[in-house]
Amino acid sequence: NAGVTQTPKFQVLKTGQSMTLQCAQDMNHNSMYWYRQDPGMGLRLIYYSASEGTTDKGEVPNGYNVSRLNKREFSLRLESAAPSQTSVYFCASRLSYEQYFGPGTRLTVT
Amino acid sequence: QQPVQSPQAVILREGEDAVINCSSSKALYSVHWYRQKHGEAPVFLMILLKGGEQKGHEKISASFNEKKQQSSLYLTASQLSYSGTYFCGTERLGSARQLTFGSGTQLTVLP
Repeated sequence: NAGVTQTPKFQVLKTGQSMTLQCAQDMNHNSMYWYRQDPGMGLRLIYYSASEGTTDKGEVPNGYNVSRLNKREFSLRLESAAPSQTSVYFCASRLSYEQYFGPGTRLTVT
Repeated sequence: QQPVQSPQAVILREGEDAVINCSSSKALYSVHWYRQKHGEAPVFLMILLKGGEQKGHEKISASFNEKKQQSSLYLTASQLSYSGTYFCGTERLGSARQLTFGSGTQLTVLP
C-alpha cells in the first residue's frame, strides 16, 4: 500500500501560469480532500469530495478547481496562479474516522 | 469557524506532562487530533465522538466536553519523539465529514 501519493513534490510557477496537482490513494477510500497550509498556520480546506462523482467547496476555494477523476484520484487545478497561492498543499483521504495525508506539494508562485 | 487552540507553544523536559486545549463555538460531532513534524504530513492521533466514543493510539489520551464544545489532549511522561505541532480538527454536526483545523500548538520536548 502506497497510501496517499501526490505529484509533484515541488513546483515553482510564474504569476498567471496554470498547473494541476495530482493526488491518488490506493486504500479504497470514499472521501478525499485538498488543503493548503501556510507558514505557522493550520490546514485550510480548499475542496473536498465526499464520494466519487461529487465535489464541494471548502473554506478557501477561490482560484482553484478540482476533478474527482475516479475513486482513486482527485486533482487540484490552479488556472492562473497568484503569489497568494504560494503554500504547501496536502491531499487527504478518509474512509471512516482517520484522515490519511499525502506528503504534500510545496508550491511557490513568483 | 476555526477552533481555538491553547497554548500556542509549550516547551517541556523529557518526562513532564502537557495539556493542549481546543474549543469551538459550534456544536460538534467529533474532535480529531493530529501531530505534524517539521516538513512532514500530519498524522492521526485520536478521534473523540459525540456520545463518548474514542478511537486512537494507546499512549495518547484526550477528553471531549460536549456541553462546552471543548477538547483536551493529555501528553504524559513526554518523550523526545512527542515534539511537533499538534492540531485539533473539529467536525460539526451536518458538515458532511469536513474538518476545520485549529492553528496548532508547537510542542518541544528537551532532553
